[in-house]
Amino acid sequence: NAGVTQTPKFQVLKTGQSMTLQCAQDMNHEYMSWYRQDPGMGLRLIHYSVGAGITDQGEVPNGYNVSRSTTEDFPLRLLSAAPSQTSVYFCASSFGTGRSTEAFFGQGTRLTVV
Amino acid sequence: AQSVTQLDSHVSVSEGTPVLLRCNYSSSYSPSLFWYVQHPNKGLQLLLKYTSAATLVKGINGFEAEFKKSETSFHLTKPSAHMSDAAEYFCVVSDLISGTYKYIFGTGTRLKVLA
Repeated sequence: NAGVTQTPKFQVLKTGQSMTLQCAQDMNHEYMSWYRQDPGMGLRLIHYSVGAGITDQGEVPNGYNVSRSTTEDFPLRLLSAAPSQTSVYFCASSFGTGRSTEAFFGQGTRLTVV
Repeated sequence: AQSVTQLDSHVSVSEGTPVLLRCNYSSSYSPSLFWYVQHPNKGLQLLLKYTSAATLVKGINGFEAEFKKSETSFHLTKPSAHMSDAAEYFCVVSDLISGTYKYIFGTGTRLKVLA
């Protein structure tokens, strides 16, 4: 099993450009989520999905869109990139949404917006 | 809302000496707590989790953590540090928000292991 796969690993964008960060998992997990990691701030939840066709906002959703057309894929779209979106982005998946559920993380996408 | 506080942003230890990474939580009920490790340029990996069973939780790679309700703490320890333990460590609490359990992350502790 590959687990959670994110592409690309690195990306540089110009302000105003759009792009999609890809995330795929092969564990048949219902729950998927996107986080951003900034220095000294831990990981913060951007958007999440509890199943195909269902998405919702997390703590920091502004400037990002998501969709979940299949169980396996959960892409994150930046519509008009801003320097404040320079960050490391992590996708995660889990079998459910229980209190003690373990999350599995991808290796991250390092995004720089200039 | 629940939260976690990691008391040290950086910790340095010598190889072979004990490791202590501190985490305090705030919760109005019995929490689920986790420790994740992130090696350089890698994703996060679960070290261990507390789910209201045994208060002393053993994890991978010789790490363990003790849940102390009276001190609202969940500190991570290891008796003897190895060079491969150099990484960033996150304390996480699971909180019920808008009907779904979500992770609330601490700000992380970067562990440096000196030869």
